Amino acid sequence: AQSVTQPDIHITVSEGASLELRCNYSYGATPYLFWYVQSPGQGLQLLLKYFSGDTLVQGIKGFEAEFKRSQSSFNLRKPSVHWSDAAEYFCAVGDRVTGGGNKLTFGTGTQLKVEL
Amino acid sequence: DAMVIQNPRYQVTQFGKPVTLSCSQTLNHNVMYWYQQKSSQAPKLLFHYYDKDFNNEADTPDNFQSRRPNTSFCFLDIRSPGLGDAAMYLCATSRDHGGHYNEQFFGPGTRLTVL
Repeated sequence: AQSVTQPDIHITVSEGASLELRCNYSYGATPYLFWYVQSPGQGLQLLLKYFSGDTLVQGIKGFEAEFKRSQSSFNLRKPSVHWSDAAEYFCAVGDRVTGGGNKLTFGTGTQLKVEL
Repeated sequence: DAMVIQNPRYQVTQFGKPVTLSCSQTLNHNVMYWYQQKSSQAPKLLFHYYDKDFNNEADTPDNFQSRRPNTSFCFLDIRSPGLGDAAMYLCATSRDHGGHYNEQFFGPGTRLTVL
């Protein structure tokens, strides 16, 4: 079964600093990978996704992520963090399921705090 | 704008009193999902509908059921809520007709409190 590990539960960065959130996955085939962001009390917003092709993917809000098959990683990066980026970030791997549709397996999330 | 809508956003119920959460979508997606997200945890898939076909996750308690009367609406019924069922419930949709994998779109969630 697939699994996702986000080793950092909390991360604090200063506004304007660069950011990297780590994500490692376990999956037998080429994975469908996602990063979602969740603000307090809100639903999940998709930041970016990787299905195939170029291993460096660009997302919304200035985020990017790089798929590295050899390391089973899909780390999220942003060159300069803004205070509004403070939120919880979830990495997820998708899989097709029997009967149609797909299933997202999420990591436990990384809580990002931004210091002004 | 096409979207996934969940009502209510906040629901309070009493221990053992049945409760229904609602999800609707204007995306015309054929697949609808329900996730449970407990405090400080990752969302966990409870079940999903592929068109009219219901697909239950193996570890979803019998206390949780779902109905999908039409393409646009899907309901989550909790027959006898326990304190452990307090959580954020997220509805999501995707378009799926075989072949390519398609992303899921999430609603804002319903926060359920059990007293």
